[in-house]
Amino acid sequence: DAKTTQPTSMDCAEGRAANLPCNHSTISGNEYVYWYRQIHSQGPQYIIHGLKNNETNEMASLIITEDRKSSTLILPHATLRDTAVYYCIASLLYNAGNMLTFGGGTRLMVKP
Amino acid sequence: DSGVTQTPKHLITATGQRVTLRCSPRSGDLSVYWYQQSLDQGLQFLIQYYNGEERAKGNILERFSAQQFPDLHSELNLSSLELGDSALYFCASSAGISGNTIYFGEGSWLTVV
Repeated sequence: DAKTTQPTSMDCAEGRAANLPCNHSTISGNEYVYWYRQIHSQGPQYIIHGLKNNETNEMASLIITEDRKSSTLILPHATLRDTAVYYCIASLLYNAGNMLTFGGGTRLMVKP
Repeated sequence: DSGVTQTPKHLITATGQRVTLRCSPRSGDLSVYWYQQSLDQGLQFLIQYYNGEERAKGNILERFSAQQFPDLHSELNLSSLELGDSALYFCASSAGISGNTIYFGEGSWLTVV
């Protein structure tokens, strides 16, 4: 899996959009970009994933640059409950599933 | 609720002992993964099973072993426990088909004293 680089921590005001960047300059053509988050020692929670195109679901949007070397996770209206560690992972998919290699992630603090 | 169930939630045991952590995957999921999260190591992939067979191995110690049973539940066995094995152990599952999302359970807290 390609290495990803994320800022160690970020702050965001409640109600504002949180934009979390991720660099994955060595990503290969068939590696997906996954985002998970972990709220205070709970199990990691899946947020979104994508290959080339931008993706949106009920939780967030994922913007992947055209060269796929970086991406941004957008939480459109951050709430206090979005305070968590966010992990960006580049991962191949195998026939039997895929294994995720977690880095240090970004600690997002949403402030009132 | 991810649908992945882990037991026990908390466990305290002494050094040198052996424990078994249990995981029930989401209904219909064929792949099971085990991860370890300690304070200084972050989330580390240990091992993956797919439909009863070992598929991928990560940083799993020889003192640790796992298996997936015909009903697809999985167990992680930790033996000759050391203080450094104290950690959160997560189980995760996915359908196993390429492209399917991995969902994590809430973890088992192991404290070795």
